[in-house]
Amino acid sequence: DIQMTQSPSTLSAAVGDRVTITCRASQSIDVWLAWYQQKAGQAPKLLIYKASTLEKGVPSRFSGRKSGTEFTLTISSLQPDDFATYYCLHYDLYSGTFGQGTTVEVK
Amino acid sequence: EVQLVQSGAEVKKPGESLKISCKASGYSFTTYWIGWVRQMPGKGLEWMGVISPGDSDTRYSPSFQGQVTISADKSISTAFLQWRSLKASDTAMYYCARQYCSSASCYPPSYWGQGTLVTVSS
Repeated sequence: DIQMTQSPSTLSAAVGDRVTITCRASQSIDVWLAWYQQKAGQAPKLLIYKASTLEKGVPSRFSGRKSGTEFTLTISSLQPDDFATYYCLHYDLYSGTFGQGTTVEVK
Repeated sequence: EVQLVQSGAEVKKPGESLKISCKASGYSFTTYWIGWVRQMPGKGLEWMGVISPGDSDTRYSPSFQGQVTISADKSISTAFLQWRSLKASDTAMYYCARQYCSSASCYPPSYWGQGTLVTVSS
């Protein structure tokens, strides 16, 4: 089974900061990686799919990148609405594996 | 407008059975797969499995195979998640989500239900 290792588990940042979250796959997963944002009491929201494709309506300050089996989500300038928990998801034909999650909290 | 509306919160005792639902609207129900995701209290997201409502082809994550049953009734555009005998460790929020898959690849779930909280306690 493919494992997704996400880091850090918690990240303290201020409004305006550049924030980067990393997910590493235990083996090659091509580009089949998505990023979600989840706020307390809400369902997850899709931000990025195919490693770097921005979902419609998602602000351009969010971006995704792939380097081998390492994937990063970057928020270029953190906004107040961005304090939340972020998950990566490796999705394949009919299956999926989530990372452990990263909580972005106020510094 | 695409909507996935889940059934309400449930409080059950260990050993009881349960079936929760996810009613889809605003799109062709049989065109998209429906997946289920578990989130235990204060924990992360876990992929449980998916079903193709058109032919009921169902795929389970190894962790959930044999523990739950995923089904769908295309006549009422509704997917289900079912337990035969609940345990306290089944206490969690359960989300359904819509996923598009072709024969070659899938897109990640983009539309999600609001979640159903299941509490199992004696």
